[in-house]
Amino acid sequence: DVKVTQSSRYLVKRTGEKVFLECVQDMDHENMFWYRQDPGLGLRLIYFSYDVKMKEKGDIPEGYSVSREKKERFSLILESASTNQTSMYLCASGRGAGNTIYFGEGSWLTVV
Amino acid sequence: GENVEQHPSTLSVQEGDSAVIKCTYSDSASNYFPWYKQELGKRPQLIIDIRSNVGEKKDQRIAVTLNKTAKHFSLHITETQPEDSAVYFCAASTPGKLIFGQGTTLQVKP
Repeated sequence: DVKVTQSSRYLVKRTGEKVFLECVQDMDHENMFWYRQDPGLGLRLIYFSYDVKMKEKGDIPEGYSVSREKKERFSLILESASTNQTSMYLCASGRGAGNTIYFGEGSWLTVV
Repeated sequence: GENVEQHPSTLSVQEGDSAVIKCTYSDSASNYFPWYKQELGKRPQLIIDIRSNVGEKKDQRIAVTLNKTAKHFSLHITETQPEDSAVYFCAASTPGKLIFGQGTTLQVKP
C-alpha cells in the first residue's frame, strides 16, 4: 500500500516567517509533486521533481521553493509567508510520466 | 502548457440517478486521464483512469469516456448513492506531471 506522509497537518504561521512543509513517500517513486488546493480553483501545481536534486516549476511557483536531497523526501519552502498563501497543500508521488500519482493527507497552512 | 477545464462546478442528484462530469483539455499530446475522488477532509484518491488508446472504460457503477478528436473526457456514475457525495477531479497528463481541473462537488440526496 502506497504511503505518502506529510508530517504537519495543521500549521499557523505569522506573515514573514519561513515555513517548511515536509513530504516522505515509501514507494521508491521517481516523481514527487506539490499542489495547492483552493475552493473553486482545483489542484494547482506548484513544483515537481523527477529525480533527486532536480526540480521543475509548475503553474504557480512564485513565493515557493523546493528541495529534494533524497529520493523519498520532497520539501516545500515558503521563504517569507504571506496571507495569500493560506491554503491546503498536497504532496503526491508517482512513477514516470503518464502514471497514477498518490496523495498525502494534506497540510492546512494558515498565515496570520 | 496543458489546461484542463471541468464542468459543472456543483452537481446535485437524487439517489439512484446518474451523474455526468465533463472535462476538456488543450494539449493533444496528453495520453493519460485519471479521475480522483476527494471525500470531506481526506486526500484525493484515484477511482478510475483511461489512456489515449482506449475510448471507454468501466468499473462497476463508474465509467469514463474519451474523445481524443474533441479533446474531452467524461465521468459517468450510475445508480448514485449517498456515499458518492464528494469532490471529483479530472486530470490530464503532460510530460512529467498531471494538470487537474477545478473540481466538481457532487451531492447525492437520499
